[in-house]
Amino acid sequence: EPEVTQTPSHQVTQMGQEVILRCVPISNHLYFYWYRQILGQKVEFLVSFYNNEISEKSEIFDDQFSVERPDGSNFTLKIRSTKLEDSAMYFCASSTARTYEQYFGPGTRLTVT
Amino acid sequence: GESVGLHLPTLSVQEGDNSIINCAYSNSASDYFIWYKQESGKGPQFIIDIRSNMDKRQGQRVTVLLNKTVKHLSLQIAATQPGDSAVYFCAENPTWGNKLTFGGGTRVLVKP
Repeated sequence: EPEVTQTPSHQVTQMGQEVILRCVPISNHLYFYWYRQILGQKVEFLVSFYNNEISEKSEIFDDQFSVERPDGSNFTLKIRSTKLEDSAMYFCASSTARTYEQYFGPGTRLTVT
Repeated sequence: GESVGLHLPTLSVQEGDNSIINCAYSNSASDYFIWYKQESGKGPQFIIDIRSNMDKRQGQRVTVLLNKTVKHLSLQIAATQPGDSAVYFCAENPTWGNKLTFGGGTRVLVKP
């Protein structure tokens, strides 16, 4: 069964450093998403991406965040200058269409020290 | 503000019994709802979805009920098994966008 994959599974970085989280969505999906989950809290939407551009973003997704689909398979989330409060699980998701089920990857645990 | 919330943070259920997890939503413009299951250290796993033009949908051992009048969503799990122990989230998708707004989650503990 096709699945969303994410790398790395755990990333430790120092405050102020740049990180890139990588995702490979399901191959025939057209919509891509990033969510995050701070420990013990609910899953929060960050950004959605369709047709090579951001279709929607949340207040969390400020100028420090960016997304890219550098080739036909990868979807990346970059945080330019990490803060302590960026520590969270980051989930990538993809779907075939707007209101169809979003399939989530296993997540990348980002720890900012 | 608009939000999706859950009534019970933890639900303990005897193996073999049925489980009911509830969710309240406040955005009347939402037209698509999903239940996800999240096991420790894993990403949310799709369970079942329902669109606003339906009030009930059944899957394998799961049923989702949607009551638009009171903006209430529930997930029923029949014959709960130890593998059903997890945190369950409801999520909603408004008509104008494609982001999911998640509720706070209910932890289901299945007792043998």
